[in-house]
Amino acid sequence: QVQLQESGPGLVNPSGTLSLTCAVSGDSISSGNWWSWVRQPPGKGLEWIGEIHHDAGTNYKPSLKSRVTISVDKSENQFSLTLSSVTAADTAMYYCARATTFRIDVWGQGTTVTVSS
Amino acid sequence: EIVLTQSPGTLSFSPGERATLSCRASQSVSSDYLAWYQQKPGQAPRLLIYGTSTRATGIPDRFSGSGSETDFTLTITRLEPEDFAVYYCQQYGNPPEYIFGQGTKLEIK
Repeated sequence: QVQLQESGPGLVNPSGTLSLTCAVSGDSISSGNWWSWVRQPPGKGLEWIGEIHHDAGTNYKPSLKSRVTISVDKSENQFSLTLSSVTAADTAMYYCARATTFRIDVWGQGTTVTVSS
Repeated sequence: EIVLTQSPGTLSFSPGERATLSCRASQSVSSDYLAWYQQKPGQAPRLLIYGTSTRATGIPDRFSGSGSETDFTLTITRLEPEDFAVYYCQQYGNPPEYIFGQGTKLEIK
């Protein structure tokens, strides 16, 4: 059974950098899947942030591309998200997820990140 | 950029009824790239349907998907109490990007 678990600070200062990690179990980060981050502001819908494949690179949402980096740590079987220059608009539940053949089939439970001083 | 529009924002049904949810794309999309998710309060989304009409593992057969080009539908026959949730459609675009509709909330009448 594939499981994903997000971790990271729940509170980030405005203009700071948000950093989250997703630990993967039950699957290898080096498998043929893509590994994604999706967020959901309070009371709103889902917004895809970006994805990474262990040897095929990354894809990012165009409107976030200048602030987002997704990376992989094969030795730890995990992947990470950094989002720079955050504002209150980046306050959201952040999900890590596994993507395969144009769909997201496994989701983490999510972690809440609040941007506030 | 493709925009997915789900309307209406809220639908009200009684258990046992049949619900039809709509997802309309701003331009023609591949049916291979269209998926549906269910999200209950406090939970992560769950994949229901992919490739327009293929049920994900463990999804009951009362859930079905259909459609093509710009109009896609999720149908739930014989609504169960646990089916009342928010449903999102999703398209995988080119350049690579997952695009979600804004969601339809299915509530108990």
